[in-house]
Formats: sequence, C-alpha cells, structure tokens
Amino acid sequence: DGGITQSPKYLFRKEGQNVTLSCEQNLNHDAMYWYRQDPGQGLRLIYYSQIVNDFQKGDIAEGYSVSREKKESFPLTVTSAQKNPTAFYLCASSIWSGSSNQPQHFGDGTRLSIL
Amino acid sequence: DQQVKQNSPSLSVQEGRISILNCDYTNSMFDYFLWYKKYPAEGPTFLISISSIKDKNEDGRFTVFLNKSAKHLSLHIVPSQPGDSAVYFCAASSNSNSGYALNFGKGTSLLVTP
Repeated sequence: DGGITQSPKYLFRKEGQNVTLSCEQNLNHDAMYWYRQDPGQGLRLIYYSQIVNDFQKGDIAEGYSVSREKKESFPLTVTSAQKNPTAFYLCASSIWSGSSNQPQHFGDGTRLSIL
Repeated sequence: DQQVKQNSPSLSVQEGRISILNCDYTNSMFDYFLWYKKYPAEGPTFLISISSIKDKNEDGRFTVFLNKSAKHLSLHIVPSQPGDSAVYFCAASSNSNSGYALNFGKGTSLLVTP
C-alpha cells in the first residue's frame, strides 16, 4: 500500500531537548512538506523540499531543522529553540511537475507535547 | 496574514440535504484550489481540486465551484451523509508560493445529522 508514514504518533519533549519526527513515503513523490497545526487553526508551512539534498524554509521555520538525504524520507527536528512546540505536526508529499496543479497527500500526523 | 479564509467555523445539515462550505481568498496569484477532509488525530484527506482555468469540478457527490472575480470558492456535497461529518479545509497554492506549498483556511466543522 502506498502512503506516507509518520512516527511516532505521540511524542513528549522535555525542556531543552531536541526531538525528531519521522516521515517516510513510498509514493515516489519528489516534493515533501512539513506543516504544523494548532487548535482551531489551519496548517502552517514549516519546511519543504522539492528534491533530494535541497530544502527551503516555510513561514514558521524558526526552531526547526530538516534533512532530505533520501527521496523517501524527510525528518523534522524540533529544537530547544522552538519555544512553543506543542502542536500537531503533519508531513505531506506530492508529485513535482513544475506546476502547482498537484494535490498533496498527508500522513496521519505526530502530536508533540511538552513534559 | 490569513490569505485563505473560511468564515463559518461550523455547519449542521440534515442527512440527504445539500452541504455548502465556503471559502474566500485574498491572493490573486493563487491558481490551484483544493478541499481536504479531516478527522481528529488524523491527517487531511484530499477530496477535490480545481484549477483557476475552470469554474467547476465535479467528483461524485462533491462539486467545487470557483468564482475568480469574487475570489470565492465553495464545496457542495449532495446528498450529505452522516459519514461526511468532519472538518473541511480549503487550501490554495500558486507557482509563486514556497514550492507550491498550500495555504490553508482554519476549517469548517460539518455535522450531518440523521
């Protein structure tokens, strides 16, 4: 079954700790994205990557870092510099065709909470 | 600044009737619009999309209408079913966006009652 797998589903972070959220896709998509959702809000873009070994900051990149060493994987690290990390994190991927007309498909998310 | 707005946080509709969810946008560069359905603690599921060169797209019970002059789009669900109860997000993108990343509205919670 093709899809996007995010793990873990729930994650707890202690003060001053970095944590890494996993996102893996087997859809052979070139582009991958990380969004954050807060209660009662829409999704906001953290980082995106259109191709392996390249990624760009989104609207709220401060306190986060990513890597894209493999096409299938786009892990997100929430660093201690992110002062309000409690949120629902969603990873998405899409075909990259040079056109905007491609839907993004989402994983089931990781809920991060602070201990 | 919210570029995609869903001004109705919630909507309740009887089973079998039409559900109409509305969305407004401010960025005239947006050229691709999507609707997603989301259940709690799950990721959004893609429902239907429309390109700015069209004004209507239909897929089964779901139809999306786009009015570019008014910067408005709507999702019609006919007939509504209890299983349609979820939060619906409107999203938009353009080729001037960050890698075609999506701009989302805050969502409308639809409740379909038997």
